[in-house]
Amino acid sequence: DVKVTQSSRYLVKRTGEKVFLECVQDMDHENMFWYRQDPGLGLRLIYFSYDVKMKEKGDIPEGYSVSREKKERFSLILESASTNQTSMYLCASRGPRVGVTEAFFGQGTRLTVV
Amino acid sequence: AQSVAQPEDQVNVAEGNPLTVKCTYSVSGNPYLFWYVQYPNRGLQFLLKYITGDNLVKGSYGFEAEFNKSQTSFHLKKPSALVSDSALYFCAVRDGRGSTLGRLYFGRGTQLTVWP
Repeated sequence: DVKVTQSSRYLVKRTGEKVFLECVQDMDHENMFWYRQDPGLGLRLIYFSYDVKMKEKGDIPEGYSVSREKKERFSLILESASTNQTSMYLCASRGPRVGVTEAFFGQGTRLTVV
Repeated sequence: AQSVAQPEDQVNVAEGNPLTVKCTYSVSGNPYLFWYVQYPNRGLQFLLKYITGDNLVKGSYGFEAEFNKSQTSFHLKKPSALVSDSALYFCAVRDGRGSTLGRLYFGRGTQLTVWP
C-alpha cells in the first residue's frame, strides 16, 4: 500500500515563526501536492511538484514556499507564520505523469498559529 | 477553466435508505473524475474514479458513481446507507489534457450524515 506520511498531526506555532511541514511518500511517485483545507472552502492547492527540484504554484501560494530535494520528500514552508494560516494542511502524491491514477493523501497536519 | 460543484453542503439520510451525493463539473477535454471520503481529523481516502468506458463505476465500501456526459455530472450513490458512511465527501476532476500536469480540482465537499 502507498503510504504518505506527514511529520506532525498537530502543531502550534507563534506568529512570525518559520514553520516547516514535512511529507514523505514511499511509492516513488513523481507528483506531490500541498493543499490546505478550510471549512466551506474545500481543498485549495498551494504548490505542487512533478519532479525533484521542480515546483509549480497552485491557487494560493502567497506566504508559502516549498522544497523538493529528494523524490520522496516534499516540504511546505511558512516563511513567517500568520494567524490566517491556521488550517488543516494535506499532502498528497500521485504516480506516473502519464496515465490516470488517483492521488494518495497523508493524514493531515492541523496547524494553529497563535 | 476546470471546476467542480457540489451543490449540497449537507445530505442527511436514514440508515438502510439509498443515498446520493451530487457532483457536477466543468472541464476542457475529456474528464477524469474521482470521489474521495474524509473521516474526522483524517486525510482523504480514494473511493472510485471514472476514466472511460461504462458510465457506472463501482468503488470501495459499496459505493458507486454514475457518469453522465450530457449533464456533466458524476453523482455518488449507495443502495443502502450505513451509519459508518457518515463523513465528508469530495468530488474531484482532472482534465484530459497534459497541460495541467495531473492536478486535481476539488469541490467544496458534502457532509453526509446517516442516522440510525
